[in-house]
Amino acid sequence: DIQLTQSPSSLSASVGDRVTITCRASQSISTYLNWYQQKPGKAPDVLIYAASNLQSGVPSRFSGSGSGTDFTLTISSLQPEDFATYYCQQSYSTPRTFGPGTKLEIK
Amino acid sequence: EVQLVESGGGLVQPGGSLRLSCVASGFTFSGYNMHWVRQAPGKGPKYVSAIAGDGGSTYYANSVKGRFTISRDNSKNTLYLQMGSLRAEDMAVYFCAREREYCDSTKCYLYFDYWGQGTLVTVSS
Repeated sequence: DIQLTQSPSSLSASVGDRVTITCRASQSISTYLNWYQQKPGKAPDVLIYAASNLQSGVPSRFSGSGSGTDFTLTISSLQPEDFATYYCQQSYSTPRTFGPGTKLEIK
Repeated sequence: EVQLVESGGGLVQPGGSLRLSCVASGFTFSGYNMHWVRQAPGKGPKYVSAIAGDGGSTYYANSVKGRFTISRDNSKNTLYLQMGSLRAEDMAVYFCAREREYCDSTKCYLYFDYWGQGTLVTVSS
């Protein structure tokens, strides 16, 4: 199975900050990498698919980049509704493993 | 509007069985691969099982292989997960998810674009 790691595991930031979250795969997965946002008590919502494609309806302050083994999710200017947990997920192979998550908290 | 609604969760004793259902609406159900993903309290999502749109192929995580069975009834727009020999470590919220395919000029990519609200499975004596 492909393993995904994320850093940091948690992050404190303020409204308006620029934030970057990193995901690393245990082997090359080309651009088969998705990012999800999850709020407490809710299902995950896709933000970015295929490493850099913004899902319809997702604000443009979210962006993704990377290929191979290293990927980033960037939020250009944090808004109050962005405080949540973020997961990367690979779709290169089955099982479609998820990263351990990055919890973004208000400073 | 696409909707996925799970049901069937509840309290079950270790070694017991439970069947989860996920009723889909708002799209051509048979045209999509469907998945079950679970999330233990305070943990990240974990992949459980998958089934092709026509039901012809299935996949199971090693942790549930031989104990869980995924199936679907396309005439009823319903996905199922039959869970048996339940263990404490199976306790989680179970989500069904639709897998969307996106293709650019060279490759096709897959991601979960719709999820249900989740149903809680508690395994305890």
